[in-house]
Amino acid sequence: EAGVAQSPRYKIIEKRQSVAFWCNPISGHATLYWYQQILGQGPKLLIQFQNNGVVDDSQLPKDRFSAERLKGVDSTLKIQPAKLEDSAVYLCASTRISGQGADIQYFGAGTRLSVL
Amino acid sequence: QKEVEQDPGPLSVPEGAIVSLNCTYSNSAFQYFMWYRQYSRKGPELLMYTYSSGNKEDGRFTAQVDKSSKYISLFIRDSQPSDSATYLCAMVGSRQFYFGTGTSLTVIP
Repeated sequence: EAGVAQSPRYKIIEKRQSVAFWCNPISGHATLYWYQQILGQGPKLLIQFQNNGVVDDSQLPKDRFSAERLKGVDSTLKIQPAKLEDSAVYLCASTRISGQGADIQYFGAGTRLSVL
Repeated sequence: QKEVEQDPGPLSVPEGAIVSLNCTYSNSAFQYFMWYRQYSRKGPELLMYTYSSGNKEDGRFTAQVDKSSKYISLFIRDSQPSDSATYLCAMVGSRQFYFGTGTSLTVIP
């Protein structure tokens, strides 16, 4: 079973520029999560999708962050414009929708963003 | 009060030591408890998963849950340098997922 795929692995941009991250979850996983992980901290949930609908985006800074999952499979997270404090690893995770172990989140390797 | 509290460490132990990692939580609705291991520059990977009070063992790892005290632990026996990583506890309740801040562990050969 292929894991969660994320790209790019690394991105360096200047503040006020735009950036986009891509995630392809495990096949058949209906729920997809985007997390922000700042160095030395645990992952912080940005947005949760179930299929192509948003379940929770309460911690997404909507003035600059946006995310979509148009066909209920892969997803894109965008930052526009980026700020210095957005430097972090952006993790994507997915889970099954039901069954034993449905709450186990499987993570991709993350995209490490540096904003200069 | 945070939903999940975890001592960030860092923790440094000699090879072969027994390691104890702990988290406390405040929400009695949490039903599932997980430990993730995260190596540097990698995403978190699931280590242990449990949904009841008591102990669950997997090789050198034991996860312990005490719902009455709202306390979970991960024990690592015979620790190895390859165990050097950040360990994150995670909890699920009402389909909401909460992570601890992670404990950084270094096992010295």
